[in-house]
Amino acid sequence: EILMTQSPATLSLSPGERATLSCRASQSVGYNLAWYQQRPGQSPRLLIYAASTRATGIPMRFSGSGSGTEFTLTISILQSEDFALYYCQQYTEWPRTFGQGTKVEIK
Amino acid sequence: EVQLVESGGGLVQPGQSLTLSCTTSGFNLGDYAMNWVRQAPGKRLEWVGFIRSSGYGGKAEYAASVKGRFIISRADFESIVYLQMNSLKTEDTALYYCTRESWAPSDSWGQGTLVTVSS
Repeated sequence: EILMTQSPATLSLSPGERATLSCRASQSVGYNLAWYQQRPGQSPRLLIYAASTRATGIPMRFSGSGSGTEFTLTISILQSEDFALYYCQQYTEWPRTFGQGTKVEIK
Repeated sequence: EVQLVESGGGLVQPGQSLTLSCTTSGFNLGDYAMNWVRQAPGKRLEWVGFIRSSGYGGKAEYAASVKGRFIISRADFESIVYLQMNSLKTEDTALYYCTRESWAPSDSWGQGTLVTVSS
């Protein structure tokens, strides 16, 4: 099973700042990496797939990069609605595994 | 508009069975693979299983933690995906989501249905 490790566990930032979230895979997943956002009390929603492609309707301030084992989700200018939990997921092999999540909280 | 509505959750005792339903609308279910994902209270998301579209044989894949106990099936004409859960354990307690797969494993999510396994 591919282990997905996200860092940091918590990111404390102010609105308007830049957020950089990391996701590391225990073995190469190529570009088969997705990012999801989960706001409190809500279902997750897809942000990024194929490591760097924004899903439909996702603002341009969200960007993904990386390949192989190292991936990054960047939120260029944090808005109030971006303070949430973020998960990465690999889908290169079974079982599909999620990271443990990074919480972006208001500083 | 794509909609996924999970139902069938509830409180059951260890060892019992429960079947969840995911009723879909806004798209042709037959064209899509589907996933089940769960989230235990305060825990990370956990992929449970996947079912291919009927055009790809409708075969399912499962997480090791549920393989042999859970069965995913689909009724495309009714626009419903099922998750049959047998021999339930306390560690199966979670909010269960169904998700649609397209370019990504889960491009659309339902609101989830809560399953509590407790004596």
